[in-house]
Amino acid sequence: NAGVTQTPKFQVLKTGQSMTLQCAQDMNHNSMYWYRQDPGMGLRLIYYSASEGTTDKGEVPNGYNVSRLNKREFSLRLESAAPSQTSVFFCASSELNPYEQYFGPGTRLTVT
Amino acid sequence: DQQVKQNSPSLSVQEGRISILNCDYTNSMFDYFLWYKKYPAEGPTFLISISSIKDKNEDGRFTVFLNKSAKHLSLHIVPSQPGDSAVYFCAASFTNTGNQFYFGTGTSLTVIP
Repeated sequence: NAGVTQTPKFQVLKTGQSMTLQCAQDMNHNSMYWYRQDPGMGLRLIYYSASEGTTDKGEVPNGYNVSRLNKREFSLRLESAAPSQTSVFFCASSELNPYEQYFGPGTRLTVT
Repeated sequence: DQQVKQNSPSLSVQEGRISILNCDYTNSMFDYFLWYKKYPAEGPTFLISISSIKDKNEDGRFTVFLNKSAKHLSLHIVPSQPGDSAVYFCAASFTNTGNQFYFGTGTSLTVIP
């Protein structure tokens, strides 16, 4: 079991460029999440998908779009990257009960 | 506004002693709380959780205490080991509204051999 995998691990973008962060889980979980982690801010929820076919905004959704491609995969897209999106992005998955989330290793994004 | 707060950015403890990590929250409607541990360059890993119907949950060396009236939870690690050195995040959720979790800013624990 790989758990939650994320690609790429690192990415550098110029302002205005776009990219998609990929996430996949092999635990047959219904729910998947995207977080960003910034120094002194903890993890903040960007978007989540409670089940296949549904997506909902979290605390900080502006500047991002998501796609729940199937039960395994949940992607995060930045259409026009901005320096404020420099961060570490974590994908996670969980069942509805129990609620503990399983996290991927993260994608470190720098926008110049 | 931060709904879940960890006011101590760092904590150092001698090996074998107790580590106590604290977390405060502002929303009394939170009904499920979790602690995660994070090593550098890795994703957080789940450690222990507690429902608001309980005031204590224990798992080996880890115990979480919940004081609902004070809107405070704490994680006790006894005895502390060098491998426990990591960043610890607490998180809170409203289970009846889906899966939105609110994380604290983390406390970096160093266990000194």
